[in-house]
Amino acid sequence: DTAVSQTPKYLVTQMGNDKSIKCEQNLGHDTMYWYKQDSKKFLKIMFSYNNKELIINETVPNRFSPKSPDKAHLNLHINSLELGDSAVYFCASYSSNLVRGYTFGSGTRLTVV
Amino acid sequence: GENVEQHPSTLSVQEGDSAVIKCTYSDSASNYFPWYKQELGKRPQLIIDIRSNVGEKKDQRIAVTLNKTAKHFSLHITETQPEDSAVYFCAASMGNFNKFYFGSGTKLNVKP
Repeated sequence: DTAVSQTPKYLVTQMGNDKSIKCEQNLGHDTMYWYKQDSKKFLKIMFSYNNKELIINETVPNRFSPKSPDKAHLNLHINSLELGDSAVYFCASYSSNLVRGYTFGSGTRLTVV
Repeated sequence: GENVEQHPSTLSVQEGDSAVIKCTYSDSASNYFPWYKQELGKRPQLIIDIRSNVGEKKDQRIAVTLNKTAKHFSLHITETQPEDSAVYFCAASMGNFNKFYFGSGTKLNVKP
């Protein structure tokens, strides 16, 4: 039973398109994140939601818009995709009660052509 | 904000040798330091963590040490095996809604 699941696993799309990545966690965690991992493997936080409220919004272009319909879901919508958006996007969840590391999803490899 | 630096960026060891990866952090308020292992094409997975009230923690062949005064922490892997080959990330965090600041990663290659 996958704890943090992301879909799709791979996404190839053309520049200018709009796409969404979905994330769901069944751990009962109260905080969810989106991280971007670039080609150099660097993990950079993009957004964080706690109980459906946005709490962290790093310097990310407005083309990226997260949405959290409930505590268990955090989706990422990207408008007008650019070549530089190509990366692996990881969803993660965290419980502020447990004070342990994140649980990451399996990642979505986005390729913009 | 917090700045986490990690060294080395690549590390090659012979099977059975020890490997040490070092990280430094800038914000003395950071109080939690996890380490992640990411195998090729897979998600980062937590392998060990340490809180600021502890100086050392060990789990079988893996240990982590923390020096709060110097603001650095290290991952030690003993008796390395080929399956230890992966990218390892350190991280530092503070606060309730934990924002994790990751190091830049160390690619460990264990040669059989």
